[in-house]
Amino acid sequence: AQSVSQHNHHVILSEAASLELGCNYSYGGTVNLFWYVQYPGQHLQLLLKYFSGDPLVKGIKGFEAEFIKSKFSFNLRKPSVQWSDTAEYFCAVKGSQGNLIFGKGTKLSVKP
Amino acid sequence: NAGVTQTPKFQVLKTGQSMTLQCAQDMNHEYMSWYRQDPGMGLRLIHYSVGAGITDQGEVPNGYNVSRSTTEDFPLRLLSAAPSQTSVYFCASSYRRGGLHEAFFGQGTRLTVV
Repeated sequence: AQSVSQHNHHVILSEAASLELGCNYSYGGTVNLFWYVQYPGQHLQLLLKYFSGDPLVKGIKGFEAEFIKSKFSFNLRKPSVQWSDTAEYFCAVKGSQGNLIFGKGTKLSVKP
Repeated sequence: NAGVTQTPKFQVLKTGQSMTLQCAQDMNHEYMSWYRQDPGMGLRLIHYSVGAGITDQGEVPNGYNVSRSTTEDFPLRLLSAAPSQTSVYFCASSYRRGGLHEAFFGQGTRLTVV
């Protein structure tokens, strides 16, 4: 069965620290990979996506992710986090029927 | 652009009551899905549709029904509400262009069953 694993349940950082959130997926077909962000009380918004081409994908708000096929990973990174990045982050892979399969999410708390 | 519109935003039901969560999209997307979000569980797929007249079950379909009579609408019906259905529900629609698939989410419906 297709699945997505996010390694960290809750990450706490100080402002200006670097961020890396882990994501591993299991899916043997052509991958579409996504990172979504959910700010408190809001719906999910797309941060970035990978379909093909350059495995280093740049998204909004200074986020980037690297697709490493050999490791089935799609980790999210940001060089310097801000208090406004406090949110929950979800990694997702497109399933065989066009639906999205989500990881359990990682809560990020950034201390000012 | 309206995107994906969900109604209502909040709802409180008594155990055993039925209701329909509405979802409409104006982007002419083929795919529509319903997810529920529970703390520590991520988003779990309830039902999905790959086009008008076609629906299928996701990971947690029990207690829910869907139909897709038009491209735009994908309502989710709770047949007999139970406290275990207390959750936040998100509707999503998505398109496929080439091999890329991208989903757009509604604002969510926070449902409490007492």
